[in-house]
Amino acid sequence: DQQVKQNSPSLSVQEGRISILNCDYTNSMFDYFLWYKKYPAEGPTFLISISSIKDKNEDGRFTVFLNKSAKHLSLHIVPSQPGDSAVYFCAASAVDSNYQLIWGAGTKLIIKP
Amino acid sequence: DAGITQSPRHKVTETGTPVTLRCHQTENHRYMYWYRQDPGHGLRLIHYSYGVKDTDKGEVSDGYSVSRSKTEDFLLTLESATSSQTSVYFCAISGSGPYGYTFGSGTRLTVV
Repeated sequence: DQQVKQNSPSLSVQEGRISILNCDYTNSMFDYFLWYKKYPAEGPTFLISISSIKDKNEDGRFTVFLNKSAKHLSLHIVPSQPGDSAVYFCAASAVDSNYQLIWGAGTKLIIKP
Repeated sequence: DAGITQSPRHKVTETGTPVTLRCHQTENHRYMYWYRQDPGHGLRLIHYSYGVKDTDKGEVSDGYSVSRSKTEDFLLTLESATSSQTSVYFCAISGSGPYGYTFGSGTRLTVV
């Protein structure tokens, strides 16, 4: 049973437009959420995170929104740039699971020129 | 990232042979993790360590063992490799909690 789900395996967006990547979770005990970005032949790198006490966190072009009632979070990238083409993983953790990260399957974002 | 290295980067091995993958860190982080990445599954935790000689199983630990005799090294061993263990393996380190996982560049393992 996947506790963290990214239902879109891929997403194609025009350069300069907004990219919205979605993530759903089932475990109400999750209290910390992270987004990682992965290029081919490299390991994932941390992008942005959000605590469950917040509903929004911004870092430059990247904003993560958390809707706890819907158990849903989203990553917004504005404006999208060619270098944003990568696989994006959503991950979640809970204090009662010793903070181990539970990962979604990833969404491949393709930015079109 | 220079603080964590995995070796080898690529390996092809035959079914039934033992294989050891190495993860080495220079950050003196307490936590070390081994994941495998497969299409449609994201990253799945194999084993993790919270200190020297302190290890525990993750969600997909069958067929794998680990050892951590020094803070800086975390070894993943496939006792008898099977084709289902063909995957990309990532090591990660963390100083504490879920924050700031740093990943290695991965090892692509093919079992033929």
